[in-house]
Amino acid sequence: QVQLVESGGGVVQPGRSLRLSCAASGITFSNYGMHWVRQAPGKGLDWVAFISYDGSNKYYADSVKGRFTISRDNSKNTLNLQMNSLRAEDTAVYYCATGDQQLPFDYWGQGTLVTVSS
Amino acid sequence: SYELTQPPSVSVLPGQTARITCSGDVLTKKYAYWYQQKSGQAPVLVIYEDSKRPSGIPERLAGSSSGTMATLTVSGAQVEDEADYYCYSRDSSGNHKFGGGTKLTVL
Repeated sequence: QVQLVESGGGVVQPGRSLRLSCAASGITFSNYGMHWVRQAPGKGLDWVAFISYDGSNKYYADSVKGRFTISRDNSKNTLNLQMNSLRAEDTAVYYCATGDQQLPFDYWGQGTLVTVSS
Repeated sequence: SYELTQPPSVSVLPGQTARITCSGDVLTKKYAYWYQQKSGQAPVLVIYEDSKRPSGIPERLAGSSSGTMATLTVSGAQVEDEADYYCYSRDSSGNHKFGGGTKLTVL
């Protein structure tokens, strides 16, 4: 069955960096575009970034543009999110999800919590 | 950029029909998708391309779209349908957006 497992979350001070990863199994990872979506405590879903199946196209929400970088390693079935210059408002559960053209966000991970606090 | 607007909450009695709306200019040109999120769980895709249901989604969940508004209809709502529901769409420039979410209460 499809599994997406995020890791790398934790508590970090404002202005510091954190790198999230998402390990995929049960799918042909290199066929899927992939998303990062976050959800602040008690709030709604907030799209963060997308990367195409081959890594050639990347898109970001305005709120993270210039600070976050999405990347992937198809040889390792892994999706990454490098988060720099973190702010308190970046505190959220971060989910990775598949980005199929017809069925976007069909599969989700369980999420990893990022807390930005001094 | 664009926005997708949903009502914060909808309440119905068991067996009644709940309608959750999602409005946005992008919906005149792009599909709407709907996600169900139960407390403490990851979201689940329940409607894609305005009105199609993925396998395993009950027929009482139905989607439609006209003009700037998409609607998720839950017919004969059951207690197990209580959840937060989010619409989503994307534009041709690589922008992706979720609506603010609607809490469906079946009391």
